[in-house]
Amino acid sequence: GAVVSQHPSWVICKSGTSVKIECRSLDFQATTMFWYRQFPKQSLMLMATSNEGSKATYEQGVEKDKFLINHASLTLSTLTVTSAHPEDSSFYICSARGGTGWETQYFGPGTRLLVL
Amino acid sequence: GQQLNQSPQSMFIQEGEDVSMNCTSSSIFNTWLWYKQDPGEGPVLLIALYKAGELTSNGRLTAQFGITRKDSFLNISASIPSDVGIYFCAGLNYGGSQGNLIFGKGTKLSVKP
Repeated sequence: GAVVSQHPSWVICKSGTSVKIECRSLDFQATTMFWYRQFPKQSLMLMATSNEGSKATYEQGVEKDKFLINHASLTLSTLTVTSAHPEDSSFYICSARGGTGWETQYFGPGTRLLVL
Repeated sequence: GQQLNQSPQSMFIQEGEDVSMNCTSSSIFNTWLWYKQDPGEGPVLLIALYKAGELTSNGRLTAQFGITRKDSFLNISASIPSDVGIYFCAGLNYGGSQGNLIFGKGTKLSVKP
């Protein structure tokens, strides 16, 4: 199946700093990429949806100025957590979907963020 | 918004036993999906269901799309230790341009050798 990678796999940062997470589709072109957040022992919660070359659509309650998403190419989307605080500590997972098949959404391995 | 109720929340079973879990929704979905997530990893798609009443197998896994389009179940036969993980159901509608997945809260499966 298609492969989606994320980098870094984990990051520890100080409160107030910004952290960038990359999501790449390695062997297909992703017209749409999704960013999810998962707290321990909880389900995945969609944060935002991004289509290549356009602005991301954020879910209700997700601050777009806090979580900056850029989907500049068909194989790369980035999520930047700006001025991170301890409550932003979580597991961030991206997924990518190709041009056909609504169900063909492939997930990355996730990035664990710990803000001290 | 749409919500999925997934049960049970957790299961502790003996190796070799069969497992059953299900998801229900207050509204209909066009597609039901079942994912497995290992600790520290992203979800991996196990089975996708596209039609009401559809029964689909993938090895020891069998899933069905409920006739009302508001529920789905997943069965695992003859469980093995590597089946350990969290299983998520997800519903998908094609409306609009997003086609977003709605996830259940997950079923944590533990298998005793």
